[in-house]
Amino acid sequence: DVKVTQSSRYLVKRTGEKVFLECVQDMDHENMFWYRQDPGLGLRLIYFSYDVKMKEKGDIPEGYSVSREKKERFSLILESASTNQTSMYLCASTAAGFRNQPQHFGDGTRLSIL
Amino acid sequence: KNEVEQSPQNLTAQEGEFITINCSYSVGISALHWLQQHPGGGIVSLFMLSSGKKKHGRLIATINIQEKHSSLHITASHPRDSAVYICAVQLLQGAQKLVFGQGTRLTINP
Repeated sequence: DVKVTQSSRYLVKRTGEKVFLECVQDMDHENMFWYRQDPGLGLRLIYFSYDVKMKEKGDIPEGYSVSREKKERFSLILESASTNQTSMYLCASTAAGFRNQPQHFGDGTRLSIL
Repeated sequence: KNEVEQSPQNLTAQEGEFITINCSYSVGISALHWLQQHPGGGIVSLFMLSSGKKKHGRLIATINIQEKHSSLHITASHPRDSAVYICAVQLLQGAQKLVFGQGTRLTINP
């Protein structure tokens, strides 16, 4: 079974802090994604990556950056955390290819910015 | 208007009832996914389909490409089916990117 592991289930940080959310997958997947999930808004794509050192903006990239130095690890960075970034963050991965592939999700990180 | 609309937003039923959750979309897709999210937060992929019908245990998913509509059915519902069910579509362009519905919160009472 594919395992997508997010480093923290719950995280509390202060406004202005630099925050790192880590995601690791164990199936050699090329594609990795970061989403945030908010009540009434569903899941929204922040950034995704098709390969090592490659990244593309999703629908809501403002205030975030990402890093993918190794294939198995995709990090989401909040450069200067703000209260409107309090949310549930979910990482996902999927294999590349022309055929449709299911996405495999981590358990999520519930981030609170005080 | 959202590209993916789910109905109902909330659904409460008694154990044993037949459940239907609907998903309509307005864009061209290569596949449609049904996902399940339990209160802990993790999301599990239930189905991925591009035509017809798929069945896994008590869960059935159907899709009508011409009508741009999909349904998720649960037969003989059980309290452990209580979760948020999310419909997501994979766009024709954009590789593996998904566009999500807002989810349907299902509660099955014993």
